[in-house]
Amino acid sequence: AQSVTQLDSQVPVFEEAPVELRCNYSSSVSVYLFWYVQYPNQGLQLLLKYLSGSTLVESINGFEAEFNKSQTSFHLRKPSVHISDTAEYFCAVINSNTGKLIFGQGTTLQVKP
Amino acid sequence: EADIYQTPRYLVIGTGKKITLECSQTMGHDKMYWYQQDPGMELHLIHYSYGVNSTEKGDLSSESTVSRIRTEHFPLTLESARPSHTSQYLCASSDTTRVPGELFFGEGSRLTVL
Repeated sequence: AQSVTQLDSQVPVFEEAPVELRCNYSSSVSVYLFWYVQYPNQGLQLLLKYLSGSTLVESINGFEAEFNKSQTSFHLRKPSVHISDTAEYFCAVINSNTGKLIFGQGTTLQVKP
Repeated sequence: EADIYQTPRYLVIGTGKKITLECSQTMGHDKMYWYQQDPGMELHLIHYSYGVNSTEKGDLSSESTVSRIRTEHFPLTLESARPSHTSQYLCASSDTTRVPGELFFGEGSRLTVL
């Protein structure tokens, strides 16, 4: 069975500092990987996705994630965070048997001034 | 952009009451989902539908029920609410022509049962 583990429940960081949110998955088959973001009092929004091809994927607001098959990881990074990046971030993988999304536990990114 | 709406956003009710959480989408998506979200926990799929008159239970057992009589509408009902049902409920939809896993979410309904 596939699963997703987000290694940090909370990540506090100062504004303009770099950040990495870690995500590991377990799967014996090809995967589709996703990062979703949930801003306070809002629903989830798709941030970026890996389907195939280039292992480095980027979002429009400066986040990027790299698919690493050997380490079964899909860590999310941003070189310089803003206060507005404060949110809950969820890593997710498609269950190849059921076709449904499996979410990690979420990581709260807290950006401090 | 996503057009999926949930009502109510917040609901506080007493034990034993019947409640219905509404979810509507205007995108014509065939697939719809209900997730339960507790603080610090992953989202758990409790119901999904792949089209009108099609509903299935998700990975997490839930006492709630759903219906899909119209493409755009996917309400969730609890016949007799209990404090253990206190949680946030997120509705989502997706299009089979889109990338698998690309879901559009509503803003959620936060339910508190006293």
